Amino acid sequence: GAVVSQHPSRVICKSGTSVKIECRSLDFQATTMFWYRQFPKKSLMLMATSNEGSKATYEQGVEKDKFLINHASLTLSTLTVTSAHPEDSSFYICSARPHGTGNEKLFFGSGTQLSVL
Amino acid sequence: AQTVTQSQPEMSVQEAETVTLSCTYDTSESDYYLFWYKQPPSRQMILVIRQEAYKQQNATENRFSVNFQKAAKSFSLKISDSQLGDAAMYFCAYVTDYKLSFGAGTTVTVRA
Repeated sequence: GAVVSQHPSRVICKSGTSVKIECRSLDFQATTMFWYRQFPKKSLMLMATSNEGSKATYEQGVEKDKFLINHASLTLSTLTVTSAHPEDSSFYICSARPHGTGNEKLFFGSGTQLSVL
Repeated sequence: AQTVTQSQPEMSVQEAETVTLSCTYDTSESDYYLFWYKQPPSRQMILVIRQEAYKQQNATENRFSVNFQKAAKSFSLKISDSQLGDAAMYFCAYVTDYKLSFGAGTTVTVRA
């Protein structure tokens, strides 16, 4: 099956620093990628939709200046948490939709646990 | 807006027994996909089963099957012959416009 690689799997940073998380489709091209946030034992909340070559679409309540998304190629989307604070600590997961497919195919990365001290 | 409701925060099942997880959703769409995902302690999202709304036949994947009631907007998951490896959090999800909306999740524990 299709593989989505997400790195790093775990990151610890100091408050005020920025952290970049990568989501890469290894064996398919992904026109669209999605970024989710998940708190412990809670559901996944969609943060934004990332489209290759265009600006990301953010869900209501998500600060686009805090969570910068770049989808520069058909295989890579990045999420940068800028000026991170302890309340940004969370589990972040990406998913990717293969180019040319519909709603039935979405593949997930393995997630990134961010801890801000 | 789409909503997905999972009313059972936790379910416990004896190994080799059957457990059913409930899910209801709200939509005005006529064609859509529904999913059940499993999230074990590793937190990797694993697709368990997928159902296309226009197909009346319930989807089945080995020990996993669904009871899809389109009119009632219900999509329950049955796990048969439960195994210790089935212990995880299970999410019901609905997709439209390529966006997945997830339910709150049900934590399944399997008793040996």
